[in-house]
Amino acid sequence: EVQLVESGGGLVQPGGSLRLSCVGSAFTFSHFWMYWVRQGPGKGLVWVSGINSDGSTTGYADSVKGRFTISRDNAKNTLYLQMNSLRAEDTAVYYCARVVYSVVNSQWQRADYWGQGTPVTVSS
Amino acid sequence: DIQMTQSPSSLSASVGDRLTITCRASQNINYYLNWYQQKPGKVPNLLIHSTSSVQSGVPSRFSGSGSGTDFTLTISSLQPEDFATYYCQQTYSTPYTFGQGTKLEIK
Repeated sequence: EVQLVESGGGLVQPGGSLRLSCVGSAFTFSHFWMYWVRQGPGKGLVWVSGINSDGSTTGYADSVKGRFTISRDNAKNTLYLQMNSLRAEDTAVYYCARVVYSVVNSQWQRADYWGQGTPVTVSS
Repeated sequence: DIQMTQSPSSLSASVGDRLTITCRASQNINYYLNWYQQKPGKVPNLLIHSTSSVQSGVPSRFSGSGSGTDFTLTISSLQPEDFATYYCQQTYSTPYTFGQGTKLEIK
């Protein structure tokens, strides 16, 4: 069964840093794009970042660009999100998601499996 | 960035009702539109991808349509387990934005 397990969340002061990890299992990790999606308390889903299968292409939401960095280690089946200069508004549950895509046209993509999420709280 | 606007933001309906949720993009996104369902305390679940393709395992009462800027998710006959929040997402260009969500409640 496909599994995604996030870790690395916690309480951090404004201006601080955290690195989230997401380990995938029971699928060929290196064949899939991956996303980070967050959800603030009582709020909707927000796409944070995405990365293609070999890590050569990344994308970010404007709200995190320049502060967050997505990366992956396919040998370790692991996705990362380095979060710097954290703000109170970054407080959320962070989900990683596996993304199925078309090799002919990567715009055809969808998140078909999601992890359970790791909570991040930014507060003094 | 492409803005995705769902309507309504919330609604009440009864078991057996036919229901349509609308998602509008701020620019043409072709057919690059997905729909997700999220129940309270649960992770999102993919319902529809590429505007109208029903994800494997999703009941046939769910359907999607549209193109360009206007899209709909239709539930043909509401079941008790369908009461949840629904999100659209565009994958035309990054950032791959979600709509604000439509919360479906029992009348």
